[in-house]
Parts: sequence; C-alpha cells; structure tokens
Amino acid sequence: ELKVEQNPLFLSMQEGKNYTIYCNYSTTSDRLYWYRQDPGKSLESLFVLLSNGAVKQEGRLMASLDTKARLSTLHITAAVHDLSATYFCAGGTQGGSEKLVFGKGTKLTVNP
Amino acid sequence: ETGVTQTPRHLVMGMTNKKSLKCEQHLGHNAMYWYKQSAKKPLELMFVYNFKEQTENNSVPSRFSPECPNSSHLFLHLHTLQPEDSALYLCASSPGAQSVVETQYFGPGTRLLVL
Repeated sequence: ELKVEQNPLFLSMQEGKNYTIYCNYSTTSDRLYWYRQDPGKSLESLFVLLSNGAVKQEGRLMASLDTKARLSTLHITAAVHDLSATYFCAGGTQGGSEKLVFGKGTKLTVNP
Repeated sequence: ETGVTQTPRHLVMGMTNKKSLKCEQHLGHNAMYWYKQSAKKPLELMFVYNFKEQTENNSVPSRFSPECPNSSHLFLHLHTLQPEDSALYLCASSPGAQSVVETQYFGPGTRLLVL
C-alpha cells in the first residue's frame, strides 16, 4: 500500500528566501504529482513527474523526482507572498484511471 | 461552464436528511473521482469511476452512495450521515483512457456540515 509523507507540514518563510518541501513515498509509484490549494479553494495541478531524475520548473517553483530514493522535492526560489498556499504531493500508479494517495500537505506562509 | 463544476457549494443537513452532491466535468474525460478532505485527515479517495463503471470503493460507508450516469456527471447521494462526515467533498476528473499522464482536475468542492 502506497503511503506518502510530506515535511514540513507547516512552513513560514520570509519573502526572498529559498526553501524545499520534501515528499517521501513508501512503495513504487509510477508518477508523482504536486498540487496547490489556496484557502477555501480547490486543488490546482502544478507538476507531474514521470521518471527518475525528472525536473520541472514553473516560475519560482521547481519539482524533482528521485525514484531510487522514493523522494520528490518542491523547491521554492526567492519566495513571494503570492506563493502562500498549501502544497500537496500525491503518488499514483499507472492505469486507465489512477488511484492517487496524497500527503497531508505543507501549509506555506510567506511573510513580507 | 468550463473545467469541473460542483453543486451545491455549501450544504447543511441533519442526520436524518437525504441530499445529493452533483459534479459535472466539461473536459471530455472518462474517469471521475470523489474525495473527502477534512481537517483531521489527508485528502481521502472515496470512489473512482472509469467509463461510467465503478473501479474503486475505498471502504466507504454505505451512507455514501455514488452514481455515474455518464462520463460527464457524477453524483454522491447522502443519507443518515454523522457529524464526523462534515468535510469538503471534492470531485475530480482525468482522461482515464490509459493516457500517459493522468493528471486529475478538481472541482471547487462542496462544504458539507452535518448537524
């Protein structure tokens, strides 16, 4: 059974700083997703990582996947207030429809 | 309407009531999902439908009854719920045709309060 653990669960950082959110998963997962959720809103897809060594970047966010270590990271560069949200990683398995297992989420607060 | 829509957005119900949540996707997808998000637990998958057939029931109590009349619509029928069922219920859809990338697109959710 796939289990997904994120850390930290809460992260408060200053604007302009860099930080990394970690996502560990327990068994083989074919793909790893990152989502963002703003307060009171739904989940927005950020990245999907399909293979070992995959790296994707969008603005100040960069996600990577190490399947051997069963680890994905979400790196935040020079944080800005607009990045404040809860970030979820989720592991999935290949198939016609996918069963995703989500981590508990990391609540990020970027302070001015 | 675009993307995934859900109605109602907010629902308050008593434990003896019967209500239904509706989800509609306008993305041409073939798979639809129900998730429960509560403060105490991570996002939990409840049900999966692929081409209108239920492919996953994640040990959900029978007081939750899903219905998928076609690939665009998904319902969650609720009856005799408990206060601990209060949560945000999210619907999602994905291509579901064994595509390479199965990113799920989420609706805005229904905030449910059971009194």
